[in-house]
Amino acid sequence: DSGVTQTPKHLITATGQRVTLRCSPRSGDLSVYWYQQSLDQGLQFLIQYYNGEERAKGNILERFSAQQFPDLHSELNLSSLELGDSALYFCASSALKASPADNEQFFGPGTRLTVL
Amino acid sequence: AQSVTQLDSQVPVFEEAPVELRCNYSSSVSVYLFWYVQYPNQGLQLLLKYLSGSTLVKGINGFEAEFNKSQTSFHLRKPSVHISDTAEYFCAVSEQGGSEKLVFGKGTKLTVNP
Repeated sequence: DSGVTQTPKHLITATGQRVTLRCSPRSGDLSVYWYQQSLDQGLQFLIQYYNGEERAKGNILERFSAQQFPDLHSELNLSSLELGDSALYFCASSALKASPADNEQFFGPGTRLTVL
Repeated sequence: AQSVTQLDSQVPVFEEAPVELRCNYSSSVSVYLFWYVQYPNQGLQLLLKYLSGSTLVKGINGFEAEFNKSQTSFHLRKPSVHISDTAEYFCAVSEQGGSEKLVFGKGTKLTVNP
């Protein structure tokens, strides 16, 4: 158990809909990352937050948005869903300290999104 | 920008045989290197990482990897595999001094047969 929790575990929805994925980081970790794992694109970085602020952005679609709340949990919002958005969405957290040796990313179990 | 190439998408081996999973990377800046393992229906778990220093790094579950800067490689090895090592293995890099985001390879599915 990495200490990172993600809900829900599975999500089935229809095209055009909007969903919210939730992530709670490990206790004490200030940074949260979102990754998408799909069969054709593999594992891709979407976005990173640190203590409530956006820190880095990757290949995140405009239909997707995220935020990190004062209690450090994070939500990834996916809207106008398309069939191609079906994937496993991982959240990871890290302490993000000065020493890179202390910055291991711990991954949650993922949310499997199926768009029908 | 960085990219990671895992040369083998699938590697079948017999139990107690040695295995090497290959990883090459491309980057215009210095990087940190990682190997993660993903068991079926689970998240990713860090096996080992190279940050600096000795180019041979040891990780969990008997795995080790060697960083070769001239060949831009970071191959993962285990001298004797078990059935329980069956999983998908991902090589990843992150930029030193930059964003902590991980850039992953496509993964290698290791299947250990009895």
